[in-house]
Amino acid sequence: AQSVAQPEDQVNVAEGNPLTVKCTYSVSGNPYLFWYVQYPNRGLQFLLKYITGDNLVKGSYGFEAEFNKSQTSFHLKKPSALVSDSALYFCAAQLSGSARQLTFGSGTQLTVLP
Amino acid sequence: EAQVTQNPRYLITVTGKKLTVTCSQNMNHEYMSWYRQDPGLGLRQIYYSMNVEVTDKGDVPEGYKVSRKEKRNFPLILESPSPNQTSLYFCASRPQRSNTEAFFGQGTRLTVV
Repeated sequence: AQSVAQPEDQVNVAEGNPLTVKCTYSVSGNPYLFWYVQYPNRGLQFLLKYITGDNLVKGSYGFEAEFNKSQTSFHLKKPSALVSDSALYFCAAQLSGSARQLTFGSGTQLTVLP
Repeated sequence: EAQVTQNPRYLITVTGKKLTVTCSQNMNHEYMSWYRQDPGLGLRQIYYSMNVEVTDKGDVPEGYKVSRKEKRNFPLILESPSPNQTSLYFCASRPQRSNTEAFFGQGTRLTVV
C-alpha cells in the first residue's frame, strides 16, 4: 500500500525567509507526486506536480518542489515567504497507471509571521 | 468556468436520518472521488469512480454509498448517519490520465448530532 508522510504538523517562518514543507512517500513503483494548498473555508487548489524529468519542478505562486528518489522525498520550497502563503499544505501521491485516486499526507499548517 | 460543485456547503442532521451530498463537474472528467478530511488525518478516500456505472471502495467506505449514473454527477449517500461521520467532505474529479491533477469542490461540512 502506498503512503505519504508529512512529518511536521506546523511550520512557522518569518516573512521574507525561505520556507520548506517536508513530504516523504512510500510507493512501490513510479509515483506521480502533487502538492495542494487549502485556504480557510476553501477546497484544495493544485500547486505543482512531479511526473518525470527534471527533479526540480516549479509551480504556482513562486513555489517549487524537489523530487529526490533516493530519499523518497518531495519537499515544497519557496525562496521568500509571504504572509499570504499561510495555509494548510497537502502532499499527495498517485501510482502511475493506477486507477486509484490520490493518497494524501496528513497536512502541514504553514504560518508566515509578519 | 471549469468547476466541481458540491451541495450543500453546510449540513447539520440527526443520527439515522438519510442524507445525500451532491457533486457535479462540468469538465467531462472520467474520474471522480469522495474524500473526508479530519484533523491530523489529512484526506482519506471514501469511494471513487472510473466512469459511469463503475465505482469502487476507497480507504474508508463504511457507512457510505455512491452512484455514478451520469458522467457529471457523483452523489455521496449516508443511509444512516452517525456522529463519527461528522467531518469535512470533498468531491474531486480529474481526467483519465493518472498524471493529471485533480479538481476539488468547495467542501461540505457535515455535523451529525
